[in-house]
Amino acid sequence: GAVVSQHPSWVICKSGTSVKIECRSLDFQATTMFWYRQFPKQSLMLMATSNEGSKATYEQGVEKDKFLINHASLTLSTLTVTSAHPEDSSFYICSAPDWGRNTGELFFGEGSRLTVL
Amino acid sequence: KNEVEQSPQNLTAQEGEFITINCSYSVGISALHWLQQHPGGGIVSLFMLSSGKKKHGRLIATINIQEKHSSLHITASHPRDSAVYICAVRPDKLIFGTGTRLQVFP
Repeated sequence: GAVVSQHPSWVICKSGTSVKIECRSLDFQATTMFWYRQFPKQSLMLMATSNEGSKATYEQGVEKDKFLINHASLTLSTLTVTSAHPEDSSFYICSAPDWGRNTGELFFGEGSRLTVL
Repeated sequence: KNEVEQSPQNLTAQEGEFITINCSYSVGISALHWLQQHPGGGIVSLFMLSSGKKKHGRLIATINIQEKHSSLHITASHPRDSAVYICAVRPDKLIFGTGTRLQVFP
């Protein structure tokens, strides 16, 4: 089946640094990828929709300058948490639909657990 | 009130038991998804439904569009089924339920 790979799976950083998370579609082209955030024991929250070759669409309340999204190729989207603070500590996960399959099935990355000290 | 409600929030079962997890939603949808989130955080798509019933191995998912309700059943549950099961509906963007944490004991 289609595979979406996310890296790193976990990262610890100091407050004020920037962290980049990558989301790759390994065996299909993903013109659209979704970035979610999940706090402990809560549901996933859509942060932004990443579109290849164009600007990402951010959900209300998500700071564009804080969470930079780049979708430079058909297989890679990156989320950069800039000037990270402890409140940014969370689980971040991406998903990519494989439109070619025309099934609407969802494919998720493994997720990235960010801890900001 | 959440647009997607799941019940129960937590569920424990003995190996071999029949499990039912329910999902109710309040919006019009084009599809409903059942997802499984493992303890490490990774998410696997189990089913996508727009009507009727689907079966995959020991898992069965049903949906009643008129009643805005879906159920996920696990037959002959096993400890490896222990995970969080998430219902997500798609009017346009996905709306997620808070999940049902299932623990199956040997």
